[in-house]
Amino acid sequence: ETGVTQSPTHLIKTRGQQVTLRCSSQSGHNTVSWYQQALGQGPQFIFQYYREEENGRGNFPPRFSGLQFPNYSSELNVNALELDDSALYLCASSDNRQGNTEAFFGQGTRLTVV
Amino acid sequence: GQNIDQPTEMTATEGAIVQINCTYQTSGFNGLFWYQQHAGEAPTFLSYNVLDGLEEKGRFSSFLSRSKGYSYLLLKELQMKDSASYLCAVKGDYKLSFGAGTTVTVRA
Repeated sequence: ETGVTQSPTHLIKTRGQQVTLRCSSQSGHNTVSWYQQALGQGPQFIFQYYREEENGRGNFPPRFSGLQFPNYSSELNVNALELDDSALYLCASSDNRQGNTEAFFGQGTRLTVV
Repeated sequence: GQNIDQPTEMTATEGAIVQINCTYQTSGFNGLFWYQQHAGEAPTFLSYNVLDGLEEKGRFSSFLSRSKGYSYLLLKELQMKDSASYLCAVKGDYKLSFGAGTTVTVRA
């Protein structure tokens, strides 16, 4: 158990729909990163939030957006879903204040777009 | 850009040793991580190297050579539960860049 929880665990959506995924970070962690992991691939960085601001972004289109709340929990929103968005979405929390090295991952949300 | 390479698959016998190599070319370096990921589950932290040399942690050891852009994860006394995907990841300024993962199958 890492203390990072994601919801929902599984989700099926139709192409063109919108989805919101949620992540509660580990207590005391101020940074949340989101990753997309397609089947048989390593996780790909989507973006990171630190103190409610986007702190860096990977090579994902603007229809991938996010939020971080004052309690450091976070949401990932994906608009106009495409079939290729089907993947495991991972949230990782860390504490940048200590120059901390380790990121703790949640169990992920398995998104299927049909 | 980021380029992280590791073998796709490895098979070994229970009780044996397996070494998973990882080579990387990245624009920034703030450490190299190894994660274990069982099918359908989240990655779990195994090891972290930021300086050259060997880090040992029980049955798992990890080695780093920054000048060569090279790391390996050594799994000793393999157990059936070690069958999983092993991910090599490099930390840049703020993100982790992952390799595609090495699937290790442990056979009885």
